[in-house]
Amino acid sequence: EVQLVESGGGLVKPGGSLRLSCAVSGLTFSNAWMSWVRQAPGKGLEWVGLIKSKTDGGATDYAAPVKGRFTISRDDSDNTLYLQMNSLKTEDTSLYYCTTVIRGGYNFWFDPWGQGALVTVSS
Amino acid sequence: QSVLTQPPSVSGAPGQRVTISCTGSSSNIGAGYDVHWYQQLPGTAPKLLIYVNNNRPSGVPDRFSGSKSGTSASLAITGLQAEDEADYYCQSYDSSLSVVVFGGGTKLTVL
Repeated sequence: EVQLVESGGGLVKPGGSLRLSCAVSGLTFSNAWMSWVRQAPGKGLEWVGLIKSKTDGGATDYAAPVKGRFTISRDDSDNTLYLQMNSLKTEDTSLYYCTTVIRGGYNFWFDPWGQGALVTVSS
Repeated sequence: QSVLTQPPSVSGAPGQRVTISCTGSSSNIGAGYDVHWYQQLPGTAPKLLIYVNNNRPSGVPDRFSGSKSGTSASLAITGLQAEDEADYYCQSYDSSLSVVVFGGGTKLTVL
């Protein structure tokens, strides 16, 4: 069974930084594309970004609101996904989910999802 | 404003059939990108419900089905049960924005 467990959430001031981790088990992590999706309190889902497997080039891609401020990385030796968040804004306050990307041609979807890590940006 | 438009809420009585629409455009659903659906029960993480328009992952009851036509997609739930009360999200890819896009979500209430 694939399991994803996020950690590292917390309260941070605007302009601050935070790093989330996602420990992955139950799959060959080095072959997996991974993604982060967030959900603001009481709101819908918003894609944050993804990272390809190193065998597929290891490239990252980000949504416009976080590009240049957030960085996704991976440690295949430790089966861990990271989300480094810098220059945080109040609008980044969300529950951040780690999820595995499933690919089919030019399409991809997400399964399974972790339980989420809450990030609150407030002064 | 989400790129994919869903009704904010739908409701139905136990045993009834409900549908949830997901309307896109020529740069996402209409461009041929597949639609996927997620169910989010209260206080839990989203769970994949339908992938590639009309496929159910193992363990998802056949009461749930998906379809896609033109620039829209739909999720149908038959034999509505109290445990189906949840938020439902559609997801696709938008080629002009070059991003994954989600619908705004639909809250299903079982009366």
